[in-house]
Amino acid sequence: TQLLEQSPQFLSIQEGENLTVYCNSSSVFSSLQWYRQEPGEGPVLLVTVVTGGEVKKLKRLTFQFGDARKDSSLHITAAQPGDTGLYLCAGVKDSSYKLIFGSGTRLLVRP
Amino acid sequence: DAGVIQSPRHEVTEMGQEVTLRCKPISGHNSLFWYRQTMMRGLELLIYFNNNVPIDDSGMPEDRFSAKMPNASFSTLKIQPSEPRDSAVYFCASSFGGSSRGYTFGSGTRLTVV
Repeated sequence: TQLLEQSPQFLSIQEGENLTVYCNSSSVFSSLQWYRQEPGEGPVLLVTVVTGGEVKKLKRLTFQFGDARKDSSLHITAAQPGDTGLYLCAGVKDSSYKLIFGSGTRLLVRP
Repeated sequence: DAGVIQSPRHEVTEMGQEVTLRCKPISGHNSLFWYRQTMMRGLELLIYFNNNVPIDDSGMPEDRFSAKMPNASFSTLKIQPSEPRDSAVYFCASSFGGSSRGYTFGSGTRLTVV
């Protein structure tokens, strides 16, 4: 059983569309991170959210941390083929060193 | 900065052989992590080093797996003997000050055991 559940698992959309992926848990996290992984490469950190209700923007990507710090979402506006990849959320519990990774959302943006 | 460097990028070996994966973390990072990624199980933490000392190896699947970090700039993950179910992509990651600042991952080693 995954501590962090991501949905959807797969998403195929047309260039220009908007999308939202979700990261949910029954546990509280002190912070949550989002990574993007491209084929043949390791995950790359996109953002860290720390405060419940926090919203961060990275160009066309908007990240939100739930008020209760149990969930997070990633919204992409006007998706581009370069956004294609595996999106992973990862949570930190309390002062733990461990990053707990979600199962991932595999995104394909078709030109 | 060259980032986290892993070698080899690809390894194909026969069942029963010893496999050694290598990692050079980012200079100045004091934490190093070995992960394994498969389609079925996603990213799994195998072992965590802090200041070259193994802190948590509870994710190491069996005694066939061992990891060392002889100095701040080098770590190895060894599988002996290897089995087909060990086939996966193995990632090394490093960070400074724990997990809150995020990890920098290497490009991984794709291991195939036939």
